[in-house]
Amino acid sequence: QVQLVQSGAEVKKPGASVTVSCKASGYTFTNYYMHWVRQAPGQGLEWMGIINPNGGSTTYAQKFQGRVTMTRDTSTSTVYMELSSLTSEDTAIYYCARDIPHDYWGQGTLVTVSS
Amino acid sequence: EIVLTQSPGTLSLSPGERATLSCRASQSVSISYLAWYQQKPGQAPRLLIYGASSRATGIPDRFSGSGSGTDFTLTISRLEPEDFAVYYCQQYGSSLYSFGQGTKLEIK
Repeated sequence: QVQLVQSGAEVKKPGASVTVSCKASGYTFTNYYMHWVRQAPGQGLEWMGIINPNGGSTTYAQKFQGRVTMTRDTSTSTVYMELSSLTSEDTAIYYCARDIPHDYWGQGTLVTVSS
Repeated sequence: EIVLTQSPGTLSLSPGERATLSCRASQSVSISYLAWYQQKPGQAPRLLIYGASSRATGIPDRFSGSGSGTDFTLTISRLEPEDFAVYYCQQYGSSLYSFGQGTKLEIK
């Protein structure tokens, strides 16, 4: 069965960077794009960007351009999302989600930015 | 970027009633690339509807989607207790995939 398993919760200080991982299993990793979506506490869903595991090309939402980097490791079927220059506004749950529309989601990773 | 506006913000209904949720786009969504998701507290969202009207795998037939262009609707024909949640629409007709702000469906 398809599974997306994300890394654990993180606490970061303002100005730092965070990397969240998402390990895929149960399907051919390079056949499906992977997206990242975040959700601030009590707020809605926000699409961040997409990576093509076959080749590594990316497209980022304008809001995050220059601050987000999505990469992948085909040997471990894992995608990574790095977000830099963190502020308190980046406190959120970060999800990876397969394909569009998003048919499978990771369990979410809480990133807390606090001094 | 296409902006999606969902209404109402909160919908209060009783089990057994019919729910109608709206999603309006700031410009036409190409080929009805519009999806609906359900999210319950503490859980990741779940895909309900794609292509504006196709149910995802395992979704009960009380859920239906309709619409085209800029106006889309999610209908739940007869509410079950487990349907009370937050619902989001998402467009994927452009290369930047935006979500609506959500509609909270609560028990009256």
